[in-house]
Amino acid sequence: QSALTQPRSVSGSPGQSVTISCTGARNDLGHYNYVSWYQQHPGKAPRLMIYAVTQRPSGVPDRFSGSKSGNTASLTISGLQAEDEADYYCCSYAGSFIYVFGTGTKVTVL
Amino acid sequence: QQQLQESGPGLVKPSETLSLTCTVSGGSISSSSYYWAWIRQPPGKGLEWIGSIFYDGHSYYKPSLESRVTISVDTSNNQFSLKWRSMTAADTAVYYCARLLVDWDVDAFDVWGRGTPVTVSS
Repeated sequence: QSALTQPRSVSGSPGQSVTISCTGARNDLGHYNYVSWYQQHPGKAPRLMIYAVTQRPSGVPDRFSGSKSGNTASLTISGLQAEDEADYYCCSYAGSFIYVFGTGTKVTVL
Repeated sequence: QQQLQESGPGLVKPSETLSLTCTVSGGSISSSSYYWAWIRQPPGKGLEWIGSIFYDGHSYYKPSLESRVTISVDTSNNQFSLKWRSMTAADTAVYYCARLLVDWDVDAFDVWGRGTPVTVSS
């Protein structure tokens, strides 16, 4: 199972929107709607931001949104804030109780 | 709210076996809503799912790691564990335990431990 592909980095100014893509294969991300996104600040554990492609856990700001089309999922951060600067990872169920993470994207707030 | 805490040695010699334990507090590990997972992150690199276990002992592993890894569960102590055989320098990483919520169509790692760094060196 290969890692899902994410851009190495994206950046935006405060208030702008950024979108992170996550590309998989037909037998993982393309087949299941169990895509989740995690935010990780330096030295900290990851935090769940999106599950089931589009759903936000309680406490996650509504400026975070998710979507999926074909083999590619996306995380959009609208109204970028300084505290959103972090690494972001996608994750997909791949069948047979197996999970695969993305390569990770560093979001920089300019 | 459940909490997870990893414990184990911070330093392991090459070829040795790593043993880590994750203690679950604030709720029972014996719930049909959760699997329990190990995930690692080498320095400066991304997250890698290692494997997951259900409270009844059914376990699942990343295929490329399966020959070296065993995950077990101890429901009486509300813990689950990772054993990793034949450690090499490439296995140096922060090891996280996490709760995998599979109920209500969530299927995501919703609670994480703080992570424990493991260095493989002689």
